[in-house]
Amino acid sequence: EAGVAQSPRYKIIEKRQSVAFWCNPISGHATLYWYQQILGQGPKLLIQFQNNGVVDDSQLPKDRFSAERLKGVDSTLKIQPAKLEDSAVYLCASSLGDSPLHFGNGTRLTVT
Amino acid sequence: DQQVKQNSPSLSVQEGRISILNCDYTNSMFDYFLWYKKYPAEGPTFLISISSIKDKNEDGRFTVFLNKSAKHLSLHIVPSQPGDSAVYFCAASIVSSASKIIFGSGTRLSIRP
Repeated sequence: EAGVAQSPRYKIIEKRQSVAFWCNPISGHATLYWYQQILGQGPKLLIQFQNNGVVDDSQLPKDRFSAERLKGVDSTLKIQPAKLEDSAVYLCASSLGDSPLHFGNGTRLTVT
Repeated sequence: DQQVKQNSPSLSVQEGRISILNCDYTNSMFDYFLWYKKYPAEGPTFLISISSIKDKNEDGRFTVFLNKSAKHLSLHIVPSQPGDSAVYFCAASIVSSASKIIFGSGTRLSIRP
């Protein structure tokens, strides 16, 4: 089966600019997650979707981060405006039922 | 508040010997635990899991042990191989509430020849 697809792989922006990341989960996986992984730390959940509904967005900085999954398939995560501390790898994952998460290769964001 | 802790940032083991990676958790409600492996520039991949009703789960060279009273789990790799060099993340969740999976900070395992 095809894995979780993410783009772009790398992005460099200046602070206060905006950026968007895209994710296409494994076909048939109803649950989609966005994680933020800061260097030296483990992945931290930003938002979890079940189909096109939000299950958990308690750790999403909603003043600057937004995410959508309009048709219950692919998803976008946006940051506007970006801060230096947003530099991280943004990982998308998907799962089917209670199965373990399948991760994409991530987008490495550098904010200068 | 780190609910899942991996206190060893790195570990070096000789090829062929046993690698033991440790993980501690603070939330007694966690009932499902996972280990993920991550190579550079790739996303984490699932390795092995264990439910809180068990104290051991084995899959080939990988065995996970769970000590609920100590809130501690460990991953044993025997024998260690060069391809095992990666970052290993411990993770935990509460299955019944479909809650988010909490990850530890990872341990970088290096297998030396």
